[in-house]
Amino acid sequence: GQNIDQPTEMTATEGAIVQINCTYQTSGFNGLFWYQQHAGEAPTFLSYNVLDGLEEKGRFSSFLSRSKGYSYLLLKELQMKDSASYLCAAMDSNYQLIWGAGTKLIIKP
Amino acid sequence: GAVVSQHPSRVICKSGTSVKIECRSLDFQATTMFWYRQFPKQSLMLMATSNEGSKATYEQGVEKDKFLINHASLTLSTLTVTSAHPEDSSFYICSAQETSGGADIQYFGAGTRLSVL
Repeated sequence: GQNIDQPTEMTATEGAIVQINCTYQTSGFNGLFWYQQHAGEAPTFLSYNVLDGLEEKGRFSSFLSRSKGYSYLLLKELQMKDSASYLCAAMDSNYQLIWGAGTKLIIKP
Repeated sequence: GAVVSQHPSRVICKSGTSVKIECRSLDFQATTMFWYRQFPKQSLMLMATSNEGSKATYEQGVEKDKFLINHASLTLSTLTVTSAHPEDSSFYICSAQETSGGADIQYFGAGTRLSVL
C-alpha cells in the first residue's frame, strides 16, 4: 500500500534550526511536496522535489533521496510564526498526492 | 504566485438545506481541481478530483449524489453539499493544480468551515 510517515509533533526554540523528516512508500513517484498549514487555515505550498538533493528557498530547505524514499524539510532561524503543521505529500504514478498526517511544530521563545 | 479563491469562508446552515462552495483560480487556468475535507487535528482527506468539462472522480466512500461537483470552466469548480446533516460539518478545502516548470503543484483556497445545525 501507499504510505507517508512523519512525526506527529516537534518542539523547537526560536532562532534555532529544526529538521522535519518524512518517509514515503508509493506506487511510482512523481515528486515530493511540503506544505505549511496554520491552525484553522488551508495549506500553503512550500516546496517541490523530484530530483535527489537539496533545494533551498530562503530560511526553508527541502531534501530528497529517491533511493531511500526519504525527504526532510529544514527550517532555519525559527520564528514564532513558523508554529504550524507541516504536511509531506508524495505524488504517485497516477499523479495523485498521497498525504502524510502532518507534523505539528511548536516554537518556544 | 498562483492564487486560489474559495467562497464562502464560513457557512452555518440548518439540517436538510444545500450549501454551495465555489473555488476559483484567479491568475491561472486549472484543468484539474481537488476537493478535500479535513477534521480537526487530522490530515487532508481527498473527496474528489474535478476535471474541467467532464465528470468528477470520487474517492471510495464519498457519495457523489450528496457532494455534487461541477467544473464548468477552467477557473471555477463548485461543490454542493446536498441535504446537509450535522455529520457533514467539517472544513472543506479546494485546490487548483497548476503546471509550472514541469511540476503539477496544487494551490489551496482558504477553506470553508461548514457547520450544520
